[in-house]
Amino acid sequence: AQSVTQLDSQVPVFEEAPVELRCNYSSSVSVYLFWYVQYPNQGLQLLLKYLSGSTLVKGINGFEAEFNKSQTSFHLRKPSVHISDTAEYFCAAGYGQNFVFGPGTRLSVLP
Amino acid sequence: DSGVTQTPKHLITATGQRVTLRCSPRSGDLSVYWYQQSLDQGLQFLIQYYNGEERAKGNILERFSAQQFPDLHSELNLSSLELGDSALYFCASSVGSGHSYEQYFGPGTRLTVT
Repeated sequence: AQSVTQLDSQVPVFEEAPVELRCNYSSSVSVYLFWYVQYPNQGLQLLLKYLSGSTLVKGINGFEAEFNKSQTSFHLRKPSVHISDTAEYFCAAGYGQNFVFGPGTRLSVLP
Repeated sequence: DSGVTQTPKHLITATGQRVTLRCSPRSGDLSVYWYQQSLDQGLQFLIQYYNGEERAKGNILERFSAQQFPDLHSELNLSSLELGDSALYFCASSVGSGHSYEQYFGPGTRLTVT
């Protein structure tokens, strides 16, 4: 079955510290991977996406993610977080015509 | 502001009723997607329309239906509502059809079924 797993439901981190949000997806011949951010009371906004090519993908707001086919992972990283990064982060995968979201990780940046 | 509008913002209704949620895509976008976000099920893809035609179907219940009109706005119809249908319903739009096209999400419609 097509699925996306985000093992950490909540990640607290201090301001200016690095963060990694983990995402694993079920393997498929063809899969596209995405990270979205959802701020409180707002819709989702695309952070970055992997379609093909370089396995290191850079996105907005200083985020980057690395596609690892052998480990079926697409972890999101930021070297130094800000208070404003506090939000819910969703990993998603496009399988053919289907689009599957992970359960989300709530990132809380502490002063 | 993504450019995608959804009405109404909030909707409260009773079990067994029928409601219609409306979505206007960004100017120039031909695809419209509908998603449901609930505490139980998380974010789920429901259905996609492209230029008036159904393009992909996800976990959409038979009690739910959608359509996209010639002016490209879309409506999601939810009938015989149950308590479990209470959720945030998002609409997204993109220029084309396919995962290479970025989806822009609206602010959502919060549906409460009592």
